[in-house]
Formats: sequence, structure tokens, C-alpha cells
Amino acid sequence: KAGVTQTPRYLIKTRGQQVTLSCSPISGHRSVSWYQQTPGQGLQFLFEYFSETQRNKGNFPGRFSGRQFSNSRSEMNVSTLELGDSALYLCASSPRSGVGSYEQYFGPGTRLTVT
Amino acid sequence: QKEVEQDPGPLSVPEGAIVSLNCTYSNSAFQYFMWYRQYSRKGPELLMYTYSSGNKEDGRFTAQVDKSSKYISLFIRDSQPSDSATYLCAMTAYSDTGANSKLTFGKGITLSVRP
Repeated sequence: KAGVTQTPRYLIKTRGQQVTLSCSPISGHRSVSWYQQTPGQGLQFLFEYFSETQRNKGNFPGRFSGRQFSNSRSEMNVSTLELGDSALYLCASSPRSGVGSYEQYFGPGTRLTVT
Repeated sequence: QKEVEQDPGPLSVPEGAIVSLNCTYSNSAFQYFMWYRQYSRKGPELLMYTYSSGNKEDGRFTAQVDKSSKYISLFIRDSQPSDSATYLCAMTAYSDTGANSKLTFGKGITLSVRP
């Protein structure tokens, strides 16, 4: 079974721009979560989508948003980019939502650099 | 105080050594505990998960949870150079809605196993 795929793998943007990242979960997985990984803060939860609905949200500003499509693919958008948004953005899929959704499988990530 | 604290490392051991990796947490609502392994330029890979105090064994890996002390450990027996990676603990709480998809991670410890 193919794993979680993320595109693009690398991205360079300028402050003030916006960016959209894409994630395709493992086939059959309907829950998709997004995380930000930085050397200073480690891995931090952004949000989770299940059946096209946001079920859970972390403590990030409203510039960070996401959505999920009917085929479970998900996109994450960051508007008005700041230098501090430079990070590895990881997508994880789970065969379950709610109880049991702790079993998450991560993609390789998108490395975003903001200059 | 961060919700999850993990020994910062890095840690370097000779091949064949027993490795002990530890995390402490402050949120008594955490009920599910995971260990992830992350190789360079890859996403985290789920190694083990457990939801009860005690030990869980999987091959050379043993996960130990002590909820009374809010302390979890991962032991690696007969460590191999291929075990060289960053190890992250993660945990999540059970909520009334069952929406426990939000994982809280330790910052990770980098392990190097010398041949």
C-alpha cells in the first residue's frame, strides 16, 4: 500500500506571499492531520480533518487553514507568510478519527523556506 | 512548563548497547502514548503505541509507561547502526468527543549507534 504523499517536497517563498501544500493519505484513510516541525518548537499540531470537516485544531493563527476533499486528499494554506513560518510541514493520515486516531502515519513533509 | 519533556541528547552508544529513551509529561489527561522514529529528511514513523501502564514489547523494542509518575520510556536492545535516528515520544488525551487526534510531541532525541 502506498504511503502518505506530500507535494511539493521543497518550496521557497517570500514574506507576505501565500502558499498551498497538498497531502494524499494512505488509501482508505479518511483522517488527515497537519503538523509543523521546527528545531525550536519541535512537532506541533495544526489541525485534523475527517470527512471534509475540521475535527480538531491546534494553537496557530488564522493565517493557517486547511481543507479536505471528498477523496480524503487535503490541502493546507498559509497566507501572509512570515519568516517564522519556515518549517517542515508534515501530513499524517489515520484509518480512524476520534478514538484510535492516535495511530497516525506521516508523509515525508514539505520543507518551506520563507525569505 | 511544557506538557511533554524529553531528554535533549544527542546520545551516542556502541553497537549492541541497550538504549533507554525517556519522556515525562504534566497533563494527567494523556492516556495514549506513542514512540516515533524519524530518519533524516523523512517523516516520523510510528514504532509503538500503548494506552496502559506497564510494558509492551515488540522485537528489540520495549515501551514502558508509568502513569502514576507521568513517565514513559523506550528501550532498545542490541542496538544497531540502522537504529541511528531521532526518536520522538508523543501522547494524546481521550476527550468526550473521542477526538484524540491531536498528538503532543516531545522535542526528540537524536541517537547515534557506532559500529
